[in-house]
Amino acid sequence: KNQVEQSPQSLIILEGKNCTLQCNYTVSPFSNLRWYKQDTGRGPVSLTIMTFSENTKSNGRYTATLDADTKQSSLHITASQLSDSASYICVVTRERGSYIPTFGRGTSLIVHP
Amino acid sequence: DTEVTQTPKHLVMGMTNKKSLKCEQHMGHRAMYWYKQKAKKPPELMFVYSYEKLSINESVPSRFSPECPNSSLLNLHLHALQPEDSALYLCASTNPRTGNTGELFFGEGSRLTVL
Repeated sequence: KNQVEQSPQSLIILEGKNCTLQCNYTVSPFSNLRWYKQDTGRGPVSLTIMTFSENTKSNGRYTATLDADTKQSSLHITASQLSDSASYICVVTRERGSYIPTFGRGTSLIVHP
Repeated sequence: DTEVTQTPKHLVMGMTNKKSLKCEQHMGHRAMYWYKQKAKKPPELMFVYSYEKLSINESVPSRFSPECPNSSLLNLHLHALQPEDSALYLCASTNPRTGNTGELFFGEGSRLTVL
């Protein structure tokens, strides 16, 4: 079964600290993995996309990694800011068939001053 | 213009009402989606339109009726809803020509409350 599992479910950190969110998937055959940020009551916004051949990709203070062999991805947030408080959703898409991505349940991040 | 616009932002309706949610995009995307999202849960796929034709219906109850009048518009007609249908309804679009690497562009959502 194609699944995406994220951990931790929730995370609280102090402003300025770093954190890492995890995503494990069983979606196969793999096409790509995206990390989305969703602010409360808003629609998700894409942060990064990782394809099979990519190991690391950065977008400002966000750095995503992908290990296609172990089917794991991480999202590292550096020097967190209050505006980073949001839900971070890992979304994996299959190589073939309709473009129907599989969503993880998300990690809820709260950054305290 | 990389926006997906949804209206209304908030909707309160009774179980006997008929209402509609609207979604509009001008990015030339020919694939459009409706998702339902409950609090602290990931979005759940409801419908997919590809080139203005309904391609996927995820066994959604008939009280939800989608419509795609043209390539820029997507509607979701609501009738005889239940309180458990209260949720954030998200519209998304993508360019099917980018294949499976395409980004889903989401709207801000319509917050629906059924009394």
